[in-house]
Amino acid sequence: DVKVTQSSRYLVKRTGEKVFLECVQDMDHENMFWYRQDPGLGLRLIYFSYDVKMKEKGDIPEGYSVSREKKERFSLILESASTNQTSMYLCASSLDRVDEKLFFGSGTQLSVL
Amino acid sequence: QKEVEQNSGPLSVPEGAIASLNCTYSDRGSQSFFWYRQYSGKSPELIMFIYSNGDKEDGRFTAQLNKASQYVSLLIRDSQPSDSATYLCAGRNTNAGKSTFGDGTTLTVKP
Repeated sequence: DVKVTQSSRYLVKRTGEKVFLECVQDMDHENMFWYRQDPGLGLRLIYFSYDVKMKEKGDIPEGYSVSREKKERFSLILESASTNQTSMYLCASSLDRVDEKLFFGSGTQLSVL
Repeated sequence: QKEVEQNSGPLSVPEGAIASLNCTYSDRGSQSFFWYRQYSGKSPELIMFIYSNGDKEDGRFTAQLNKASQYVSLLIRDSQPSDSATYLCAGRNTNAGKSTFGDGTTLTVKP
């Protein structure tokens, strides 16, 4: 079974802090994604990556950056956390560009105070 | 207009009935479509995918795709209380390289 692991289930940070959300997948998938999910707004794509050291902006990249130094790990960085970044963050992976069935991690509920 | 539209619901059906979940999309470049189930407090999990016009069946689930009408549906036969969840429809445009999700339809199956 594909396993996508997010480092924290719950996280509380203060405004202005730099926040790192980590995601690791164990199935040698090419693609990795970061989404946020908010009530009434659905799942929105922040960033994605098709290869190591490669990244593409999604629909809402402002205020975020990403890092993919190794194939299995995809990190989301909030450079200076703000209250409007309080959300559920979901990491996902898929095999490659052709087969984009997504496998999600369990999510990180981030609260920015 | 959102790229992928779903009825937000909630949709309520009695146990044993057929639940019908619908999704329309605006991007004619979308080639593949996915249904994810999300239980409350959990992350989405893939339950069906469909690439070609017509029906695709897997157990109690049937996905239907009509590209001319830009319409995707999910039928759940013999609905069970354990099917109560939010169902997310997603479309993927290979050229754009990403999936776009609808907001989801919440289904409640009453015993």
